[in-house]
Amino acid sequence: DGGITQSPKYLFRKEGQNVTLSCEQNLNHDAMYWYRQDPGQGLRLIYYSQIVNDFQKGDIAEGYSVSREKKESFPLTVTSAQKNPTAFYLCASSLGDEQFFGPGTRLTVL
Amino acid sequence: SQQGEEDPQALSIQEGENATMNCSYKTSINNLQWYRQNSGRGLVHLILIRSNEREKHSGRLRVTLDTSKKSSSLLITASRAADTASYFCATADRGSTLGRLYFGRGTQLTVWP
Repeated sequence: DGGITQSPKYLFRKEGQNVTLSCEQNLNHDAMYWYRQDPGQGLRLIYYSQIVNDFQKGDIAEGYSVSREKKESFPLTVTSAQKNPTAFYLCASSLGDEQFFGPGTRLTVL
Repeated sequence: SQQGEEDPQALSIQEGENATMNCSYKTSINNLQWYRQNSGRGLVHLILIRSNEREKHSGRLRVTLDTSKKSSSLLITASRAADTASYFCATADRGSTLGRLYFGRGTQLTVWP
């Protein structure tokens, strides 16, 4: 899992609550990414950031928000607007072509 | 969004056998990468092949790329039980944002002792 940490590993929330997933990296990478993975599926890009204070929507950004105030940190907020938030969330960072992934956060909305 | 598609979806073999997974994609690419994911964990980068390369080796891994057919294959030789994992191909598309990758749905490989 390299120098990327995600916390918590498991997260349970009630429907209608916002929740923030943490992602921190000490690799000095400029770019960071958030993916969602559903069972038996590939990774779908939620948001990405190529530099501090800048980020772009990926393919499934609706119901999510991010910030990039520091190079090391790229937190993801899953809002109550996200219709089906239960999933495995993966954060990654990169300096060039290769992406380095964190261990993931499994979010369950009850 | 453009995605690689792996084939087969699942592969079950005995230790010592070779495992071959294929990936097809739709648009022009700068490079294609293969990642591995153990159950419930993050992905680990295995190998990258650029669009002007045809074959690449890394240990027991061999990757080929055929840009005319828009396909790639990953060969794991002399497989071990520890190779059991999901394997994903990811493409860096030409003209897309630098660093952005498009992932396939993966091949679940099971290696029996």
